[in-house]
Amino acid sequence: DQQVKQNSPSLSVQEGRISILNCDYTNSMFDYFLWYKKYPAEGPTFLISISSIKDKNEDGRFTVFLNKSAKHLSLHIVPSQPGDSAVYFCAASSNSGYALNFGKGTSLLVTP
Amino acid sequence: DSGVTQTPKHLITATGQRVTLRCSPRSGDLSVYWYQQSLDQGLQFLIQYYNGEERAKGNILERFSAQQFPDLHSELNLSSLELGDSALYFCASTKTGGENEQFFGPGTRLTVL
Repeated sequence: DQQVKQNSPSLSVQEGRISILNCDYTNSMFDYFLWYKKYPAEGPTFLISISSIKDKNEDGRFTVFLNKSAKHLSLHIVPSQPGDSAVYFCAASSNSGYALNFGKGTSLLVTP
Repeated sequence: DSGVTQTPKHLITATGQRVTLRCSPRSGDLSVYWYQQSLDQGLQFLIQYYNGEERAKGNILERFSAQQFPDLHSELNLSSLELGDSALYFCASTKTGGENEQFFGPGTRLTVL
């Protein structure tokens, strides 16, 4: 039962444009959401997170938006750079420090 | 480099065999997590240890077991291997086990032939 869904397996964006990666969840008990970035042959690297008490969190070029009523979050990357090309995983937790529930990932390709 | 190390990087074995995957957490981290990523799937939580004790369990098969040693490194044992066990196995760590942001190792790719 996939509780975190990333419905777009891949996304291609031109350098300098905005990349928007989407994530939906079904479990209303989730109270913390994270985005991880993964390059081939490496482990996932933490990118940005948001608590359910907020609706937006910004860190440089990366912004995460949370819409609790829609059970939806999105990651915006502005401007996109070729080095952002990677697989992005959305993850959620309902209990601090325990299991993260991951989506299947979205492969982002940023073209020059 | 997250500071989490995993060995081996790759492992190829046959059905029915048993393997051990090893993980060393970041310096100072007491909690270790194991995840499995099968083809085209997200990471699936297997088990968590904190300071040598099992803290949480996910969808870990009975053929799989883990432990965390006094020096805080952890081992994941997979036995009676099946073709479907072929996957990437990731280890992650956190300082106290109460943090949401987990730091991942590079993974071990297991291929069962």
